[in-house]
Amino acid sequence: SAVISQKPSRDICQRGTSLTIQCQVDSQVTMMFWYRQQPGQSLTLIATANQGSEATYESGFVIDKFPISRPNLTFSTLTVSNMSPEDSSIYLCSVVGNGLEPQHFGDGTRLSIL
Amino acid sequence: GQNIDQPTEMTATEGAIVQINCTYQTSGFNGLFWYQQHAGEAPTFLSYNVLDGLEEKGRFSSFLSRSKGYSYLLLKELQMKDSASYLCAVKDTGGFKTIFGAGTRLFVKA
Repeated sequence: SAVISQKPSRDICQRGTSLTIQCQVDSQVTMMFWYRQQPGQSLTLIATANQGSEATYESGFVIDKFPISRPNLTFSTLTVSNMSPEDSSIYLCSVVGNGLEPQHFGDGTRLSIL
Repeated sequence: GQNIDQPTEMTATEGAIVQINCTYQTSGFNGLFWYQQHAGEAPTFLSYNVLDGLEEKGRFSSFLSRSKGYSYLLLKELQMKDSASYLCAVKDTGGFKTIFGAGTRLFVKA
């Protein structure tokens, strides 16, 4: 399966600032997704990152708060904007090589907002 | 609507067998997946069923009945390191999105 590198692995940020998380895959993948996992909860899909076009956001998530880029088939970024303590969570990048394969996950970014 | 149900917690004894059930109702179906997630780590893929029946992979087996919207994950010869959350997930037919259940936290005791 693809090797997924996600960084930073963790960060502590001030309220009101923004942080960009990077996801790099060692091979071209069809689909890239961004998830959030709050403490003790399951995975919540934020958006599907589309190569060369705007991401597709799930209900409750908007582009102004979580802008996403995907300039090519191996790289994507998620920005968490104007952060508040409620954004403290683990953010996970996930990829699918082709439509029938399982999703694989990066190691996640543990984000704490003070 | 989209719904995946699995028990919140289970406890089992080292060396025993445990079965974690999952029922789902989704608008589309393109496969069912089981993931293991240790505390503080990312989920790792365990097994995949797209057709009815049993898939065996070492100590782990997964079963699917599409007509019943039902799956289970069977863990044999339990080890302490199997203490983790187990996530049932269904891949939708549109956009290849995967919908995750809330997970079952398994505690393995000595």
